[in-house]
Amino acid sequence: DTAVSQTPKYLVTQMGNDKSIKCEQNLGHDTMYWYKQDSKKFLKIMFSYNNKELIINETVPNRFSPKSPDKAHLNLHINSLELGDSAVYFCASSQDPAELDYGYTFGSGTRLTVV
Amino acid sequence: SQQGEEDPQALSIQEGENATMNCSYKTSINNLQWYRQNSGRGLVHLILIRSNEREKHSGRLRVTLDTSKKSSSLLITASRAADTASYFCATDDSGGGADGLTFGKGTHLIIQP
Repeated sequence: DTAVSQTPKYLVTQMGNDKSIKCEQNLGHDTMYWYKQDSKKFLKIMFSYNNKELIINETVPNRFSPKSPDKAHLNLHINSLELGDSAVYFCASSQDPAELDYGYTFGSGTRLTVV
Repeated sequence: SQQGEEDPQALSIQEGENATMNCSYKTSINNLQWYRQNSGRGLVHLILIRSNEREKHSGRLRVTLDTSKKSSSLLITASRAADTASYFCATDDSGGGADGLTFGKGTHLIIQP
């Protein structure tokens, strides 16, 4: 069973559209995250959710909104897509800090291409 | 803001040789982690070293941490073709996991058969 699964794997869409990326983890982890990886492979955190509470919200445009229906899911909604949103988006999860020896578990990524 | 800076950006070695990658960071940390990313795939956690640790081993991996120099190194011994990937260091400076990790730009490692 996939520990952190995100769908879709590829997403090609036109500028101005609204799209969503779904993420689910079956690890029972407390916190989930969204990261963006640009064309130079630089990873930057976008959001994290702990027990349905937004912990951090980096300086991302408000066109991006995370939504967590429950502890196992953290979906990413993007409104009015722009060319610069093209990137690979990774969902990740982690356990309580006391068990951090296992690090974060990442999904396989969603490659978003805005045309 | 970017925290970790890996060095070198790219490294190509022969199979069987050892590969060393370095990472520098700027702020105080609670732990530092190394991840591997194969082309087109997600990141895989390799090893975590806490701020009060100086060295840690896991199989063919050896990680060192020098908090006075704010630097870490990842050594892969007896490299294999399957080790070809990008390697990222990531720092946790929050005291917990909820604030997320800050990643460096990565080292692209190529193992020549």
